[in-house]
Amino acid sequence: AQKVTQAQTEISVVEKEDVTLDCVYETRDTTYYLFWYKQPPSGELVFLIRRNSFDEQNEISGRYSWNFQKSTSSFNFTITASQVVDSAVYFCALSENDMRFGAGTRLTVKP
Amino acid sequence: NAGVTQTPKFQVLKTGQSMTLQCAQDMNHEYMSWYRQDPGMGLRLIHYSVGAGITDQGEVPNGYNVSRSTTEDFPLRLLSAAPSQTSVYFCASSLAGERANTQYFGPGTRLTVL
Repeated sequence: AQKVTQAQTEISVVEKEDVTLDCVYETRDTTYYLFWYKQPPSGELVFLIRRNSFDEQNEISGRYSWNFQKSTSSFNFTITASQVVDSAVYFCALSENDMRFGAGTRLTVKP
Repeated sequence: NAGVTQTPKFQVLKTGQSMTLQCAQDMNHEYMSWYRQDPGMGLRLIHYSVGAGITDQGEVPNGYNVSRSTTEDFPLRLLSAAPSQTSVYFCASSLAGERANTQYFGPGTRLTVL
């Protein structure tokens, strides 16, 4: 069965610190997709990234970077030089037969 | 494009009442789905549809019905609301094949059942 674990319930950092959000997944499939979504205080869900199981290249988008390691079944998300606007709940998700989300990590960035 | 729209934004029901949460998308997406979000549990899939006339159950389907008569609309019906259904409900859509494609979410409906 597919499962996503985000062990960090809440993280608090001071602005300009780097922060890594962990995501560990379980799946029996060899083909699957991993996602990260952001949910700011306004409540909407914002797509950040999609990665398929055959592409282990790390990706960087501005201050965001993602590290996908199949050997450890992890898909971690790092924010460099965090800003107050990064404060949100971040969800990792796995798409196998259907979409399964982790419980989310609430990130608070203090000025 | 309006994207994915949901109505109402807020709703309060009494136990036993019925209601329909509306969801519409104007992106011609084949795949649509409903999730509920509860504190500490992330989003859980209720029902989904891969196209007009086709629906299937997700992880937590009990207490909910859906239908898909058009590509654009995917309403979620609560036949007899229970306090356990107090939650935030999100509708999402994507191109054919939820597995591979990015889902776009509506703004959510906050439902309280007293």
